[in-house]
Amino acid sequence: EVQLVESGGGLVQPGGSLKLSCAASGFTFSGSAMHWVRQASGKGLEWVGRIGSKANSYATTYAASVKGRFTISRDDSKNTAYLQMNSLKTEDTAVYYCTRRYCSGGNCYSDYWGQGTLVTVSS
Amino acid sequence: QSVLTQPPSASGTPGQRVTISCSGSSSNIGGNAVNWYQQLPGTAPKLLIYTNNQRPSGVPDRFSGSKSGTSASLAISGLQSEDETDYYCAAWDDSLNGVIFGGGTKLTVL
Repeated sequence: EVQLVESGGGLVQPGGSLKLSCAASGFTFSGSAMHWVRQASGKGLEWVGRIGSKANSYATTYAASVKGRFTISRDDSKNTAYLQMNSLKTEDTAVYYCTRRYCSGGNCYSDYWGQGTLVTVSS
Repeated sequence: QSVLTQPPSASGTPGQRVTISCSGSSSNIGGNAVNWYQQLPGTAPKLLIYTNNQRPSGVPDRFSGSKSGTSASLAISGLQSEDETDYYCAAWDDSLNGVIFGGGTKLTVL
C-alpha cells in the first residue's frame, strides 16, 4: 500500500523557516518524482514545486511565488522528500501536501497524496 | 488567479448528468494531458481522471473526461449525493515549467 506521510508543520513567525518532511512507503521512491502542492484555507490547490528522480538528475522546479525561498530535496536512502521553507510570509499559510508523480507514455499525474501538514505563518 | 479556468460552482439533481469545464491555453491543455482531482471536505485530493480520459482503478465509470484543443471537461452521469464536493483540473504548463490547477468547482447535488 502506497503511503505518504507529511510532518513538520506548525506555527512560525513571518521571516522564519520551517522544514517539512514527506515519508514514503509502498513504492519505489528512488524512481519517482515528488511534488509539493499547497492549499490555503478555503482556497484552491497551488503547485509549489517538484524534484525529479536520480535518473533526472534530481532536477527541481518551483512556482514563481516560492522560487528563491523554498528548496525541495530528497534522501532516497530514507525514502523521504523535504520542503525547506525560508523567509516565510503570511501568504504561505496553507496545508502542504506531498504527492507522488507518476509518468506513463509521456503523461504525468499525481496519483498518490499525503494527508497534508498545516503551516501557519503569523506573529 | 488560476491559469486554468473552471466555473466556481455547478449543480444537478440526483440521477442527472453534469459537466465541469476547464479552459486553458496552448502552453498547457493544448499541448499536455489534463488530470482531474476530487477533494472531499477535510481530506487530501484524490486522482479522479488522468491523461484526459482515463479512470484509476476504483473510480466509478459514472465519471468521464474529455479534451479538445485548449479545453477539457469532466462529466458525471447518474449524479449521486456523495458526488457533492470540489473538483479540480490540472495540467503541466510548458511556459511556467510547472503544474497548474484550475480554481476548482464546487458541485452541489440538489
